Amino acid sequence: TQLLEQSPQFLSIQEGENLTVYCNSSSVFSSLQWYRQEPGEGPVLLVTVVTGGEVKKLKRLTFQFGDARKDSSLHITAAQPGDTGLYLCAAFGSNDYKLSFGAGTTVTVRA
Amino acid sequence: KAGVTQTPRYLIKTRGQQVTLSCSPISGHRSVSWYQQTPGQGLQFLFEYFSETQRNKGNFPGRFSGRQFSNSRSEMNVSTLELGDSALYLCASSLGWGDDTQYFGPGTRLTVL
Repeated sequence: TQLLEQSPQFLSIQEGENLTVYCNSSSVFSSLQWYRQEPGEGPVLLVTVVTGGEVKKLKRLTFQFGDARKDSSLHITAAQPGDTGLYLCAAFGSNDYKLSFGAGTTVTVRA
Repeated sequence: KAGVTQTPRYLIKTRGQQVTLSCSPISGHRSVSWYQQTPGQGLQFLFEYFSETQRNKGNFPGRFSGRQFSNSRSEMNVSTLELGDSALYLCASSLGWGDDTQYFGPGTRLTVL
């Protein structure tokens, strides 16, 4: 069973500041996903990274997959209140179709 | 295209009762997965159904069960409810092969008193 560790658990910043969320594991993944969940809603997929060293950008969000495919980071530039939410990393098992999630990082962006 | 729908959205039960939750996947999706989300344990995988067959199962007791119908709609059942079963239950649908995208419903908030 792979374990995805996210840090920090909580993050509260002012609008316009930058932030980084980390997702680490001792396991190697074929791919890793990032989701955002808002209150009262289910998680929504933001991105899937599949290649070691890969960097993907989604507007002000930058996702990086570690060279060894064991870790990933999510960086938000000039955060806005609309970025507030629970950010979750997730990965499928190597031999099954079970999606395992990290505990999540709760991000609050104050106006 | 309509998203994943879950019914009911909120449910209050008492210990010892049983409950059935329903999930309607996106049209054309053949896989439905169920997850339990709690503040203490986060999002945990319950089971996944593909073409009416349970394909994967998480580490939950036998009180948690599910099924999938020929139209891909799925239900999950929890029998002999315990206080610790209070959680947000999420279902997600996908095409069912590869690392394809899972689309989540809004969840059913279950409270056990």
